[in-house]
Amino acid sequence: DIQMTQSPHSLSASLGETVSIECLASEGISNYLAWYQQKPGKSPQLLIYYASSLQDGVPSRFSGSGSGTQYSLKISNMQPEDEGVYYCQQGYKYPWTFGGGTKLELK
Amino acid sequence: QVQLKESGPGLVQPSQTLSLTCTVSGFSLTSYSVHWVRQHSGKSLEWMGRMWSDGDTSYNSAFTSRLSISRDTSKSQVFLKMNSLQTEDTGTYYCARTYYGYNYFDYWGQGVMVTVSS
Repeated sequence: DIQMTQSPHSLSASLGETVSIECLASEGISNYLAWYQQKPGKSPQLLIYYASSLQDGVPSRFSGSGSGTQYSLKISNMQPEDEGVYYCQQGYKYPWTFGGGTKLELK
Repeated sequence: QVQLKESGPGLVQPSQTLSLTCTVSGFSLTSYSVHWVRQHSGKSLEWMGRMWSDGDTSYNSAFTSRLSISRDTSKSQVFLKMNSLQTEDTGTYYCARTYYGYNYFDYWGQGVMVTVSS
């Protein structure tokens, strides 16, 4: 199975700050990488797909980049509603796998 | 509007079989795949299996022989059956949708919490 390693495990950011979350795949995944945000008691919500495509309705302060085995999610201008846990997911090879999650809090 | 909703028992005894239903609306099961994804409390997500739009299925080998996914297109429902449940199967079970050829989940159900305990 492809292992997805996220870092950091948790971070806190001030209002308006820019943060980045990294996701490292154990083998190349050809940009078949999605990012999700999950808030407490809710289901995950799609933010980014194919590494850098923004899902409809997602604020433009979210952006994704990367290639090969290394990918990142950037959140510019941190807002209170951005608090939550972020997961990456590879859809390159079955079984599809997720990263361990990054908890983002407002400082 | 697209909706997926899981239903099923909240409590299952060890060694018994879990049966969950995902009822969808706003799209057709013959155009979209529906997947099952599990989340242990406070933990990450685990892909379990997929019902393809053509009726075929794919499973995570971690659940092979225990897991079965089926559907009833007339009722817009996808079913999960998993036998030989153990306490480590406790968690929240989600159904989620993908479009053919797309490798990400664009809509998720609200999830159903399942506890395996005697």
